[in-house]
Order: sequence, then C-alpha cells, then structure tokens
Amino acid sequence: DTGVSQDPRHKITKRGQNVTFRCDPISEHNRLYWYRQTLGQGPEFLTYFQNEAQLEKSRLLSDRFSAERPKGSFSTLEIQRTEQGDSAMYLCASSSSGGGKNIQYFGAGTRLSVL
Amino acid sequence: DAKTTQPNSMESNEEEPVHLPCNHSTISGTDYIHWYRQLPSQGPEYVIHGLTSNVNNRMASLAIAEDRKSSTLILHRATLRDAAVYYCILRHNAGNNRKLIWGLGTSLAVNP
Repeated sequence: DTGVSQDPRHKITKRGQNVTFRCDPISEHNRLYWYRQTLGQGPEFLTYFQNEAQLEKSRLLSDRFSAERPKGSFSTLEIQRTEQGDSAMYLCASSSSGGGKNIQYFGAGTRLSVL
Repeated sequence: DAKTTQPNSMESNEEEPVHLPCNHSTISGTDYIHWYRQLPSQGPEYVIHGLTSNVNNRMASLAIAEDRKSSTLILHRATLRDAAVYYCILRHNAGNNRKLIWGLGTSLAVNP
C-alpha cells in the first residue's frame, strides 16, 4: 500500500492558462474523490468516481473544470482558463466500496497558485 | 446535508486527555459520524467513525450521545504530533452519496 499519490505537489501558473493534475489512488480502491481546500477552510467536495463512472459533480465544478478516470485507476483534473479564484489546494482521496466503512484516504494535495 | 458545529480552537497539554466536542442536532438515522484530522501541510487523515455505539481504536475513542445529537472525540494522551485541525463530519449512508461535507473543524494546539 503506497497510499494516494498526487502530482505535481505545487503548480504556479498565469491567469488564463490550462493546468492538469494527476491522482493515483490506492491500487485496490474503486472510488476516487476530488476536493478543493482554501486557506482556513475545510475541504469542499468537487466530484466522485466509482470505477470509471463519474457519479456526482458539485455545483462548484464549473464548465472550466473537467475530471476523468478513463480506466478506473488514476484520475486527472483539468482546469481551463485558470482564474485567480482557482488558487487552492486540490485534494484527491480514494476508498473501497467493500465493508461499508467508506474510509477515505487522502493524498498530500496539489497546491495551485494562479498569478 | 446535516451540519456539524465545533469550537474553532482548543488547547491541551502534552500527555493529558483531550475531549473534542461536536454538535450535530440535525443528524438523521442513517448518518454516520466520522472524524478526520489534518496535520499542517498534509492531506486529511481518517481518525474514527461510529453510528450509535461508542467506538475505540488505536488513535482515539468516540463517545456518541444517546440521542446522537452530539459526539466527543477523545485523545487519551495528547502528544505534540496530535496538533492538527480535527473535523467532525456526518456521512449520509444512502444511495450513491459518498461525499464528505466538511465544516471548519477545531484547531488543536498541544503545549509541551
């Protein structure tokens, strides 16, 4: 068990640029989640996958945001035409559907700074 | 989604017990009570969860009120490494709802 891995750890970009983040979940986990966290706040849910199916999207996820999990393993989160308000920590978590506990295991996050 | 209320911050001394309270007066019968913590510059980490009965694990204990409208996370002997933000979360156990709805949490400071 190598844990949830996120790449990159930090990303600095200029307003208007596109960015893509990657998340590798724990290998046997079929559920994957994306959250966003700003300073002093708790994480906010963005979207959730079960295998390759995207089952829920938050209203926070504007048209500029898209997430994929093409083979039910790793996931990418893309933000197009970044805005300064997109600056935040983007957290990925994974869980197993077995056992009913739904304990989510989090990665260390990708910190995005939009200049 | 049912909400939780926690104190903004608490302080403890090393090696003393810590009781972190959480109010969730609008909890429904199928909501699980989850606790996570987030150490500085890290992703959140699962601590414990329960439904009705008190729960113990190697990290902490969870005491749930009989009416389930409040709960308390108990750290039996605080260490400096327990300094973190502790989140009390209700997870609705129905359908495809698997997301966690987070509040502001309690920032715990541990004094040496």
